[in-house]
Formats: sequence, C-alpha cells, structure tokens
Amino acid sequence: AQTVTQSQPEMSVQEAETVTLSCTYDTSESDYYLFWYKQPPSRQMILVIRQEAYKQQNATENRFSVNFQKAAKSFSLKISDSQLGDAAMYFCAFANFGNEKLTFGTGTRLTIIP
Amino acid sequence: DTAVSQTPKYLVTQMGNDKSIKCEQNLGHDTMYWYKQDSKKFLKIMFSYNNKELIINETVPNRFSPKSPDKAHLNLHINSLELGDSAVYFCASRRMDRGGELFFGEGSRLTVL
Repeated sequence: AQTVTQSQPEMSVQEAETVTLSCTYDTSESDYYLFWYKQPPSRQMILVIRQEAYKQQNATENRFSVNFQKAAKSFSLKISDSQLGDAAMYFCAFANFGNEKLTFGTGTRLTIIP
Repeated sequence: DTAVSQTPKYLVTQMGNDKSIKCEQNLGHDTMYWYKQDSKKFLKIMFSYNNKELIINETVPNRFSPKSPDKAHLNLHINSLELGDSAVYFCASRRMDRGGELFFGEGSRLTVL
C-alpha cells in the first residue's frame, strides 16, 4: 500500500519570506503522480501544483515550486514571497498511473506571520 | 458554474437518523469519489465510481451506501448515524488521463448529536 508522510504538522513563515513543506512517499511503482493541495479556512480543496514521476524537471507555478527527488521518494513544496493568503492546510497526495486512488498525507498547517 | 457541487453544505442530525448527501459534477469526468475528512483534517478515501461502476470500496461500515445514477452524479446515503460519523465529506471527480488531478466539491459538514 502506498503511504504519504508529511512530518511537519505545523509551519510558520514571515510574510514575504520563503518556506518549504516536506513530503515523502512510499511506492514500488515507477510511474505515478504527485500533487500538493491547499485547504484554506473556507475548506475548499485547491490544487496548487502537480508533478509526473517520469518528468525530471521540477514543476513550477508562479511562487510555488517543488523539489522532486525520485530516488529519495521526496516531494517538497517551496513557497516563495509568502503572502497572507497562503495561510492554509497543505496536503501532499500520491497516485499510481492507472490507479484511481489518490492517497493524501496528514497535512501541514501553514501560518503566515505579518 | 460550479464544477463539483454538493448538497447540503451543512447537516446537523441526531444519532440513529438516516441522511443523504448529493453530488454532481459538470466536468464530464468519468470517475467520482467520496472522501471523509475527520476532526484532525485527515482525508481518507471511502468510495470511487467510474462511469457508474464501483471501483474502490475502502473499509467503510456498510451503513454507508453510495449510489451513482449516472456518471455525473454520486450520492452518499448513511443509515443509523453515529457520533463518529461527524466529519466533512468531500465529493470529487477526476480526469483519468495522465496527471489527472481531483476536483473537489466544497464539502458537506455533518454533525451528529
């Protein structure tokens, strides 16, 4: 069974600074996808960024980027120039190619300090 | 237009009652899901349907029964509600090509008293 681990239950960062959220996963497959979702207090789940395992290049979406280390099974999220609106729970998720099941980590609560 | 919509958004009921949550998606996706988010924010998959066929059925009490009348709808019926059923239930749909992410509804907060 696949597992996704987020070892940081809570993180905080000063506004305009950079923060990195950690995620590791366990799988024996070689073709899979990884995602970061954001859940603000409104509770809506919003996709932040996704990465396909066969792509060596790290995905980037504006201020959000990932550090994907396939051998280490690590998928961290870097948020640059943090803004107050970035305050939320962040969930890492994993899915094997051809498998309909997305498995989520336990989440990291990110606080932005003004 | 809301891509994945759930009703009701909030539900408060007594132990032992039966309740349903409805979900509809207008994205044309073939696969739909129910996830449960507990008080610690842990998201756990419950069920998944692909084009009206049940494909994932995690270890969920049989008091929970999903129904998919067509591929755009996935409803969740819960019998004999218990205190531990209190949670936020998320419906989601997914595009099944490479890299398809989940699109979530806004969640339905169920409180059992």
